[in-house]
Amino acid sequence: DQQVKQNSPSLSVQEGRISILNCDYTNSMFDYFLWYKKYPAEGPTFLISISSIKDKNEDGRFTVFLNKSAKHLSLHIVPSQPGDSAVYFCAAGMSGGYQKVTFGTGTKLQVIP
Amino acid sequence: DTAVSQTPKYLVTQMGNDKSIKCEQNLGHDTMYWYKQDSKKFLKIMFSYNNKELIINETVPNRFSPKSPDKAHLNLHINSLELGDSAVYFCASSQGFTSYGYTFGSGTRLTVV
Repeated sequence: DQQVKQNSPSLSVQEGRISILNCDYTNSMFDYFLWYKKYPAEGPTFLISISSIKDKNEDGRFTVFLNKSAKHLSLHIVPSQPGDSAVYFCAAGMSGGYQKVTFGTGTKLQVIP
Repeated sequence: DTAVSQTPKYLVTQMGNDKSIKCEQNLGHDTMYWYKQDSKKFLKIMFSYNNKELIINETVPNRFSPKSPDKAHLNLHINSLELGDSAVYFCASSQGFTSYGYTFGSGTRLTVV
């Protein structure tokens, strides 16, 4: 039962353009959402998060949008840079009780110079 | 100075062997985790410890036994290794139950032959 889904395994974008990575979830109990970035042979690194009480959170070139009614979130990267080429994982968690973060399967982003 | 370090980075072993993976964090975090990334790139939580106490134990075969001698260390021992145990194992830590993301180690690639 995959509660967090990233349906696009890969995405290619030209440098300077916008990258949009999508994520869907099924568990309405999730109340916070995170994006991680992963380079080869490294562990995932935390990028940005959003609480369910918000619909947008911005940090520099990265913006995460949350649509709770659609159980959908997206990560926008503007402008995309070659160094952004990595695998991006969407993740979701529940803040009450013992937390565990559930990850999606990742989207490999390639930014073409 | 690596925040979350795992050893070894690579481990190749035969079926039926017993092996351990070690994890140490120097961030002063009180919660540590083991995640498994399988061949489908799905990152799935296995265990979580908070202040040396086991708090999350997913449906993992009891051949897997975590041990936390102190809150800075979380080791994973695997008995009677099977081919299906081949995966990348990630250790992570956080300060309590945070929605601000975990700090991951760089992973241990286990190959069972």
